Amino acid sequence: QAVVTQEPSLTVSPGGTVTLTCGSSTGVVTSGHFPFWFQQKPGQAPRTLIYDTSNKHSWTPARFSGSLLGGKAALTLSGAQPEDEAEYFCLLSYSGPRVFGGGTKLTVL
Amino acid sequence: EVQVVESGGGLVQPGGSLRLSCVASGLTLSKYWMNWVRQAPGKGLEWVANIKRDGSEKYYVDSVKGRFTISRDNGKNSVYLQMNSLRAEDTAVYYCASPGEWGQGTLVTVSS
Repeated sequence: QAVVTQEPSLTVSPGGTVTLTCGSSTGVVTSGHFPFWFQQKPGQAPRTLIYDTSNKHSWTPARFSGSLLGGKAALTLSGAQPEDEAEYFCLLSYSGPRVFGGGTKLTVL
Repeated sequence: EVQVVESGGGLVQPGGSLRLSCVASGLTLSKYWMNWVRQAPGKGLEWVANIKRDGSEKYYVDSVKGRFTISRDNGKNSVYLQMNSLRAEDTAVYYCASPGEWGQGTLVTVSS
């Protein structure tokens, strides 16, 4: 099965902007991989932020956005808040099976 | 209020079986592909299995093929994961997830 890659860790300053990426061992990530992004804080269940590349749920803060960038899926956080410190996972679809990335630990500092 | 609740986890010996259940309220599961996702202690998320809205398609991660079976009962608004021939490496919190909503998870521990 495919391998999905994410940056292991990133740091952003409060109020700053950061982009997390999600790549696939099979090649370019497209909208056909239906990229999802999840946020997980310690001791909590994951929460879906973005589905199908760029769609937000009602609970997704406006400062989060999803896109395709440079052959990867991307999650951009604009105007980081302390409460955004968490681990972020992407998920790609491979015509049925899904694969998670290893997660990006985001520090707001 | 939407709630997704998993149950059925526990301590089981290697080679044993468990059946996990997932029931939702405030959310019609028949509208969605449903997923089981697990997270071993201190590790990342691992997608385990999913099932199409009508149950006609099912997919599994390679490591559980032939041992785990996902099913659903749309009349009961529920999804299940039958886990057989359990191994120590199956130890994890198991989450039931729709595209938007997740449960809080149920812990499966495989140990003698």
